[in-house]
Amino acid sequence: NAGVMQNPRHLVRRRGQEARLRCSPMKGHSHVYWYRQLPEEGLKFMVYLQKENIIDESGMPKERFSAEFPKEGPSILRIQQVVRGDSAAYFCASSPPISGGPSSYEQYFGPGTRLTVT
Amino acid sequence: DAKTTQPPSMDCAEGRAANLPCNHSTISGNEYVYWYRQIHSQGPQYIIHGLKNNETNEMASLIITEDRKSSTLILPHATLRDTAVYYCIVRVGGDTGRRALTFGSGTRLQVQP
Repeated sequence: NAGVMQNPRHLVRRRGQEARLRCSPMKGHSHVYWYRQLPEEGLKFMVYLQKENIIDESGMPKERFSAEFPKEGPSILRIQQVVRGDSAAYFCASSPPISGGPSSYEQYFGPGTRLTVT
Repeated sequence: DAKTTQPPSMDCAEGRAANLPCNHSTISGNEYVYWYRQIHSQGPQYIIHGLKNNETNEMASLIITEDRKSSTLILPHATLRDTAVYYCIVRVGGDTGRRALTFGSGTRLQVQP
């Protein structure tokens, strides 16, 4: 059973370009979370999605950032007009559907995408 | 979610048990204790969770005090590969527990050869 997959693993963009980060959750998982880790800092929640729905985007910057999790295909985190401050590691996590009890709510993380803005 | 307090760093000798403490004095009755770790530059890894009973799995043991205000994660035989930042997270159960994980600063465990 493959784990959470993220691609690309490394992404270099010039200021002003767009960055698209992809996340394929574990098989059977219908909940996806995106987190950002700035250099030498902790992980910060960005957005929580279910298929075709954004459940919680309280951690997303108000501008330039968007996320989607379509019915088919991976979840996408999109950053428009990137700036140097967007350079960070972006981690995706997934969790399975509700089946009762807290064990269903473990989050499994992918290896991350390291975005560098030059 | 209840706030947690962990020491910023700890050392442990390879092959010895690593005991990582966590204080969560404001924990409420419906909140669980979760532990994750992040090995350098990798995605966080789930370790274990518990409500009030002690728990053990293939990775670690979790000891929760009777008043639930603190807990200890035990790695019984630490190896160099256990060097990582360990996060103690308290969150509610049920559907609300699907919310985002709130990572604090964690404890940086260095396993020494």
